[in-house]
Amino acid sequence: EVQLVESGGGLVQPGGSLRLSCVTSGFTFTTYWMTWVRQAPGKGLEWVANIKEDGSEKTYMDSLKGRFTIYRDNVKGLLSLQMDSLRADDTAVYYCARGKTADFWGQGTLVTVSS
Amino acid sequence: SHELTQPPSVSVSPGQTANITCSGDALLKQYGYWYQQKPGQAPILVMYKDDDRPSGIPARFSGSSSGTTVTLTISGIQAEDEADYYCQSADISGKFYVFGPGTKVTVL
Repeated sequence: EVQLVESGGGLVQPGGSLRLSCVTSGFTFTTYWMTWVRQAPGKGLEWVANIKEDGSEKTYMDSLKGRFTIYRDNVKGLLSLQMDSLRADDTAVYYCARGKTADFWGQGTLVTVSS
Repeated sequence: SHELTQPPSVSVSPGQTANITCSGDALLKQYGYWYQQKPGQAPILVMYKDDDRPSGIPARFSGSSSGTTVTLTISGIQAEDEADYYCQSADISGKFYVFGPGTKVTVL
C-alpha cells in the first residue's frame, strides 16, 4: 500500500524557517518524481515544486523567488521541503504527492506563519 | 503564464450527469488530470492523461479532451460524489504545473 506521511508543520513567525518531511513507503521511491502542493485555508490547490527521481532536476513555482528548496533522500525514501523567509501568505496545508502528476497524496501538514 | 479556468460550481440532481470543464492553452499539447477533494480530506486522482481512470475509481467517472478543453463527466451522479474537483496540467514546456481554481459539485 502506497503511503506518504508529512510532518514538520507548525506555527512560525514571519521571516522564520521550517523544514517539512514526507516519509514514503509501499512503492519504489527511486523511480518517481515527487511533488509538493499546498492549500491555503479555504482556497484551492497550488503546485509548489517537484524533484526528479535522482534529485538532478528541481522545479519551483515562480512566485517562491528562491525561498523554498526541495530535497530527497533516496536511501530513506524521504522527501523534504526547506522553507525560508516565510510570509503570512505561505500559511497552508502542505501535501507531498507521488509523481509529477500526483497520483497519491499524503494527508498534509499545516504551516501557520503568524506573529 | 499558464492558467486553467473552471466553472466555480456545478449542481446536478442524483442520477443525472455532471460535466466539469477545464480550459487552458497548454491543454492543446499537455494532458489534463482531475482530482477530487472532499472536506477535510486530501485530494485523490480520479482521471489522468485526459481520459484514463485510476484503479478503484468508479466507472461513472470519465474524461475527454477537445482542443484547449478537458472535461470530467460524472454519469449517474451519487451523493458521495459531492466534492471540489480540480484540474491540473503542465505548461507548454512541460516543466511547470498548475491547478485550476476548482469546481464545487453539489448533488441536489
